[in-house]
Amino acid sequence: EVQLLESGGGLVQPGGSLRLSCAASGFIFSSYAINWVRQAPGKGLEWVSVISGSGSTTYYADSVKGRFTISRDNSKNTLYLQMNSLRAEDTAVYYCAGENFLNWGQGTLVTVSS
Amino acid sequence: DIQMTQSPSAMSASVGDRVTITCRASQGISNYLAWFQQKPGKVPKRLIYASSSLRSGVPSRFSGSGSGTEFTLTISSLQPEDFATYYCLQYNSYPRTFGQGTKLEIK
Repeated sequence: EVQLLESGGGLVQPGGSLRLSCAASGFIFSSYAINWVRQAPGKGLEWVSVISGSGSTTYYADSVKGRFTISRDNSKNTLYLQMNSLRAEDTAVYYCAGENFLNWGQGTLVTVSS
Repeated sequence: DIQMTQSPSAMSASVGDRVTITCRASQGISNYLAWFQQKPGKVPKRLIYASSSLRSGVPSRFSGSGSGTEFTLTISSLQPEDFATYYCLQYNSYPRTFGQGTKLEIK
């Protein structure tokens, strides 16, 4: 059974940093791209970033480009999202989702507030 | 970037009604379109991929159609468990983009 489990969310001040993790199991992790998707409170879904299975290719939404960095450690079956220069508008539940958006984690809440 | 315009943004309907939600892409995306259902406090669930392919286990009352720039999600006979928010997603190119969502409420 495919499982994705996010962690690392929490309260951070504007301008601060946070690193999210997504632990994967139940499939050959290194063979698949993984996405980050976020959802602000009461709002719709927003795609954030994706990384290829090898980690060599990444893409970002314009809203996070230059501030967020996606990476993965295939030896640990874990995906990361390093978030820097955080803003209030980055407050959201962050989900990791499989290559085809079939499998999703439960999400981790990031709150950016002073 | 490809913009996805979903309509309506909200609607109310009754059990048994036939409902259609539309998603329009700002440029052609072939059939690289997925539909998701999300209930309050829950994780999004992919219902349809490749515009019209139903995910295993999804009831046959759900169907999708379209290609290019116009896509529809149809629920043939609404059931109580179908009241939720629905999103389309284009995966033809990066950045991936979701529609703004359609909240389907009970009339």
